[in-house]
Amino acid sequence: GAGVSQSPSNKVTEKGKDVELRCDPISGHTALYWYRQSLGQGLEFLIYFQGNSAPDKSGLPSDRFSAERTGGSVSTLTIQRTQQEDSAVYLCASSRDRGQETQYFGPGTRLLVL
Amino acid sequence: SQQGEEDPQALSIQEGENATMNCSYKTSINNLQWYRQNSGRGLVHLILIRSNEREKHSGRLRVTLDTSKKSSSLLITASRAADTASYFCATTLEESNSKLTFGKGITLSVRP
Repeated sequence: GAGVSQSPSNKVTEKGKDVELRCDPISGHTALYWYRQSLGQGLEFLIYFQGNSAPDKSGLPSDRFSAERTGGSVSTLTIQRTQQEDSAVYLCASSRDRGQETQYFGPGTRLLVL
Repeated sequence: SQQGEEDPQALSIQEGENATMNCSYKTSINNLQWYRQNSGRGLVHLILIRSNEREKHSGRLRVTLDTSKKSSSLLITASRAADTASYFCATTLEESNSKLTFGKGITLSVRP
């Protein structure tokens, strides 16, 4: 594809609801990353996929956060029982392979939890 | 926690001037990347410099890396109003080899 795409662009939800955020990486990119950006914490790593497996989940802030990737392509980040502190921009990136490769970012999903 | 620390936090210059932004980091790295962000949305990749490289150029951009001082600089020459954005340095660590660890960013304003 032309670039990394994410949906939705914006999501407003009520505290306690579950949300799903989607990422479509660049075609052929085996590595996929989720980050989030918030005013208080800056840009933080959440999880990394190589193919369909996630060798690094160290950035997920709690067990309410989970992510999966199927077919080595699309990834979904799920936040259960959302809290107000989950409000942030969630960014997805992909790279041709892990390690010393450029990561290309999508436009992000802006999540607001009321 | 932040690996990179950019300096200055904010920079305001006149169009046509050069902008120099610095980044320091704490631990050994595989590579360092600079990104630009407009309006708090997607990050645009600018340049990647590997730990065994000292300098790279891309158009009006020049990046240096000093691993002995654990620092990097991004120089934008002949700045334009369109260069107004936030700039981030990000590193991949030797033991990680995958995830990016970002600094807090520099806000650059280029006055027309």
